[in-house]
Amino acid sequence: QQPVQSPQAVILREGEDAVINCSSSKALYSVHWYRQKHGEAPVFLMILLKGGEQKGHEKISASFNEKKQQSSLYLTASQLSYSGTYFCGTEIQGGSEKLVFGKGMKLTVNP
Amino acid sequence: SAVISQKPSRDICQRGTSLTIQCQVDSQVTMMFWYRQQPGQSLTLIATANQGSEATYESGFVIDKFPISRPNLTFSTLTVSNMSPEDSSIYLCSVRYDGANVLTFGAGSRLTVL
Repeated sequence: QQPVQSPQAVILREGEDAVINCSSSKALYSVHWYRQKHGEAPVFLMILLKGGEQKGHEKISASFNEKKQQSSLYLTASQLSYSGTYFCGTEIQGGSEKLVFGKGMKLTVNP
Repeated sequence: SAVISQKPSRDICQRGTSLTIQCQVDSQVTMMFWYRQQPGQSLTLIATANQGSEATYESGFVIDKFPISRPNLTFSTLTVSNMSPEDSSIYLCSVRYDGANVLTFGAGSRLTVL
């Protein structure tokens, strides 16, 4: 039931773009994206709901393909502050509002 | 924004002992969740703790090992019982504020078992 994230790790230079993918074998109600910096709690980035619109703010956006049960997070013109581990959390349809998280994608942005 | 306080923030414990982690939320919430994050790993759900009912445990987690209390809508505890070094992890409390879809995490409790 754990969603599969890819890639596992990416190293970028400041200003480059990245895409993080998340896929599930289950029919999803929602996909959540979180970023966790070392030694800190995960921080919510955005949520995509079944039947909802693509979300985005500033240089971070996301999409949700309901037919394929896949979501992607797009990081545009990355900044040093984008470094961290990105987790997708999925909520299955008819689930009990709990989130199951993928293994994460470690992003390193260098100057 | 949400305020979730966890105590202790970190502790070092001896094998065979038990430790209780507290989670205090700044407002009443129905849904509370306890996660475990082993070093360098993902967030694994231990159980869902709703006030007024028994906690619902995920596969691989049992009440005898991780008893949970939820005495009211702003507080919960997770106990890690009869600890072994394999229990060394960060334990995170999280909540979904009523009417919201977002999951908010506490800062976590880093547990080291010797």
